Amino acid sequence: EVQLVESGGGLVQPRGSLRLSCVVSGFTFSSYEMTWVRQAPGKGLEWLSYISGSSSTIYYADSVRGRFTVSRDNAKNSLYLQMNSLRADDTAVYYCARIRSTIVVAGPDYWGQGTLVTVSS
Amino acid sequence: DIQMTQSPSSLSASVGDRVTITCQASQDIRKYVNWYQQKQGKAPKLLIYDASNLETGVPSRFSGSGSGTDFTFTISSLQPEDIATYYCHQYDNPPYTFGQGTKLEIK
Repeated sequence: EVQLVESGGGLVQPRGSLRLSCVVSGFTFSSYEMTWVRQAPGKGLEWLSYISGSSSTIYYADSVRGRFTVSRDNAKNSLYLQMNSLRADDTAVYYCARIRSTIVVAGPDYWGQGTLVTVSS
Repeated sequence: DIQMTQSPSSLSASVGDRVTITCQASQDIRKYVNWYQQKQGKAPKLLIYDASNLETGVPSRFSGSGSGTDFTFTISSLQPEDIATYYCHQYDNPPYTFGQGTKLEIK
């Protein structure tokens, strides 16, 4: 069974940092591209970043480029999102998700349950 | 960046109704659109991939169509458990983007 479990969320002050983790199981992690998506309270989904299986290709949304860094450790079946210079508008539930195919262009299929990040003084 | 204009933003329909949601991309994105269902407090669930392919285990009353810039998502006969917010998502060109969402309610 495919599972993705995020952790690391919590309350952080403005301009602070936080590192989110996503531990996966049930599939060969190193073969799959991964993505992070967030959802502010009462708002829609916002795509944040993408990382290839080998970490050779990485993309970011304009809203987080230069502040957030995505990485992965295939030996630990883990995906990370390092978030720096946090602002109030970064408050959201953060989801990690697997990209559906290892062969062709695809979007996310399996998602974690999300972890809440609250940026407030 | 590619904008995904989704409409309507909300929709009220009766059980058994046919429901249609549209997404228009600001440029050609070929077939690279997914449709997701998100119930309150839950993670999104993939329903349709590559514009028209039904994800395994998803009821056949859900369907999708389109290519290029215009995409349609349809529920052929609305059921009470379909109450949720639905999103389109393009993955043709980064930064990948979502539509604004359509909140579906039962009359």
